[in-house]
Amino acid sequence: AQTVTQSQPEMSVQEAETVTLSCTYDTSESDYYLFWYKQPPSRQMILVIRQEAYKQQNATENRFSVNFQKAAKSFSLKISDSQLGDAAMYFCAYRRNNAGNNRKLIWGLGTSLAVNP
Amino acid sequence: SQTIHQWPATLVQPVGSPLSLECTVEGTSNPNLYWYRQAAGRGLQLLFYSVGIGQISSEVPQNLSASRPQDRQFILSSKKLLLSDSGFYLCAWSVSGVNTEAFFGQGTRLTVV
Repeated sequence: AQTVTQSQPEMSVQEAETVTLSCTYDTSESDYYLFWYKQPPSRQMILVIRQEAYKQQNATENRFSVNFQKAAKSFSLKISDSQLGDAAMYFCAYRRNNAGNNRKLIWGLGTSLAVNP
Repeated sequence: SQTIHQWPATLVQPVGSPLSLECTVEGTSNPNLYWYRQAAGRGLQLLFYSVGIGQISSEVPQNLSASRPQDRQFILSSKKLLLSDSGFYLCAWSVSGVNTEAFFGQGTRLTVV
């Protein structure tokens, strides 16, 4: 069965600095998707970035980028120029690219990120 | 554009009372729909998912049930709430037949007293 592990329950970063959140996963599949979601205090889950496993190029969305290491099954999130609004719980998630219609996500337990002014 | 609505935002219910949480999606058809629960300080647990009207799959046996009476409506129910049903419930949708991410509603904070 697939699993997702986030080994850092809590992280903190100074405003304007860079922080990296770790995520590892376990799967026997070769074709899958990986996601980072952000959950601010409002608790609405917001997609930050996604990565297709077949793409070697790391995904980037403005200040957010990933370091995808397929062989190591690692998918870390880098937040550059951290802002106070980045403070949130961050979840890593996995989904296999199956032929069926179901789109179940496997979730990590999350990393709580604090941004210090 | 697509939107997802989930209500109520907060709910306090006594033990043994019934529950009905509703979720609707606009701007798309035949979406995959999901109900998740998030306990305090924990990750998300998938409760139910649906790939079509009347088609419900349960991930975890429990005191809850789900129904999909219309294409874009997903309802989470219970006949008798337990204290352990307290938590944060999130509805989500994804595009059917296409590999995309899930999009979430704003959640319902349920407290069973």
